[in-house]
Amino acid sequence: DVKVTQSSRYLVKRTGEKVFLECVQDMDHENMFWYRQDPGLGLRLIYFSYDVKMKEKGDIPEGYSVSREKKERFSLILESASTNQTSMYLCASYMGVRNLYGYTFGSGTRLTVV
Amino acid sequence: QQQVKQSPQSLIVQKGGISIINCAYENTAFDYFPWYQQFPGKGPALLIAIRPDVSEKKEGRFTISFNKSAKQFSLHIMDSQPGDSATYFCAAMSRGYKYIFGTGTRLKVLA
Repeated sequence: DVKVTQSSRYLVKRTGEKVFLECVQDMDHENMFWYRQDPGLGLRLIYFSYDVKMKEKGDIPEGYSVSREKKERFSLILESASTNQTSMYLCASYMGVRNLYGYTFGSGTRLTVV
Repeated sequence: QQQVKQSPQSLIVQKGGISIINCAYENTAFDYFPWYQQFPGKGPALLIAIRPDVSEKKEGRFTISFNKSAKQFSLHIMDSQPGDSATYFCAAMSRGYKYIFGTGTRLKVLA
């Protein structure tokens, strides 16, 4: 089974801090995604990457950036954390046609910005 | 339009009953429609999925019904069990393997 590992389950950061959320997948997948999950809003796409050093903005990229220096690792960066970025962050890896075109998600990082 | 509208927001079903969750979309370019199941403290997990050229897909107690002309699809959980209590998300695939997700349905199955 594909494993997607997010480095932290819970994080508490102060307003204005630069925050790094790390995600690693173990199946050499090309496409990786960062979503945030908020009650009543579902999952919203922040950024995605379809190869090393390649990235595209999703629906809500403001205040975020990403880094993909190695194929297995996709990092989400909050340039200057704000309280409205308090959320659950989910990383996903695209499994491809042999796995019903589905994603494998990590367990999520619950970020609180105070 | 890039939205996928999901209803209801929450659902309570008796054990053994049928749970039905509905989704609707506008963008006819969407070309794959999965459902994900999420338990507390976990990421969503792929449950079942359907292509738009198929009207129904069944896997065990879970069935997707797809109505292309109405741009609607639904998840039916037959013989619902307390272990099915979770949050369910529908989704639609856009270009670049991006999924647009619905807002989620919190299902509670009473024992």
